[in-house]
Amino acid sequence: AQSVTQLGSHVSVSEGALVLLRCNYSSSVPPYLFWYVQYPNQGLQLLLKYTSAATLVKGINGFEAEFKKSETSFHLTKPSAHMSDAAEYFCAVSDVGSQGNLIFGKGTKLSVKP
Amino acid sequence: NAGVTQTPKFQVLKTGQSMTLQCAQDMNHEYMSWYRQDPGMGLRLIHYSVGAGITDQGEVPNGYNVSRSTTEDFPLRLLSAAPSQTSVYFCASSYSGLRGSMNTEAFFGQGTRLTVV
Repeated sequence: AQSVTQLGSHVSVSEGALVLLRCNYSSSVPPYLFWYVQYPNQGLQLLLKYTSAATLVKGINGFEAEFKKSETSFHLTKPSAHMSDAAEYFCAVSDVGSQGNLIFGKGTKLSVKP
Repeated sequence: NAGVTQTPKFQVLKTGQSMTLQCAQDMNHEYMSWYRQDPGMGLRLIHYSVGAGITDQGEVPNGYNVSRSTTEDFPLRLLSAAPSQTSVYFCASSYSGLRGSMNTEAFFGQGTRLTVV
């Protein structure tokens, strides 16, 4: 069965520093890949998605992610962290034939220090 | 534009009580689903529906029932609440499903925080 691994349950960066959140998937067939963000006491909001059109995907709020098939990875990056980026980030996959079911990683909580 | 609406936002139940978590969407989405979120576990799929009249089990279906009589509504029922069902529940909808498109965005509700004592 497909699985998603997010390395690091907590990541702390300084304001202005690079943000790197890691995500690896298990399928040998590239699935559809998503990054969602959850602010405190809110639902999940889509940051970006990979749909095979381009390996580098740009999302909202300055985030981007690069799909690397050889590494089965879809890491999320942002060049310069803002205080408002503090939230929990979830990587998710949707397999071909899954009818839209999402499999989530366990999440990475991002803290941004002033 | 309401999107996905969940009610109630908070609920406290006693062990053995039953209740229904409501979910409604106004985007004419075919696909709807329920997830539970527990600390350190991410979101896990409980039940899903690819269209009116069609439901199926997800990863953690035990203790929960669903039905889909209309495109808009997808209620989640707890028949006999247990402390292990203390969690935050999210409803989501998207265009994927019967059309077979799996790469469309899922829209999430604001969640229902349920405590079973």
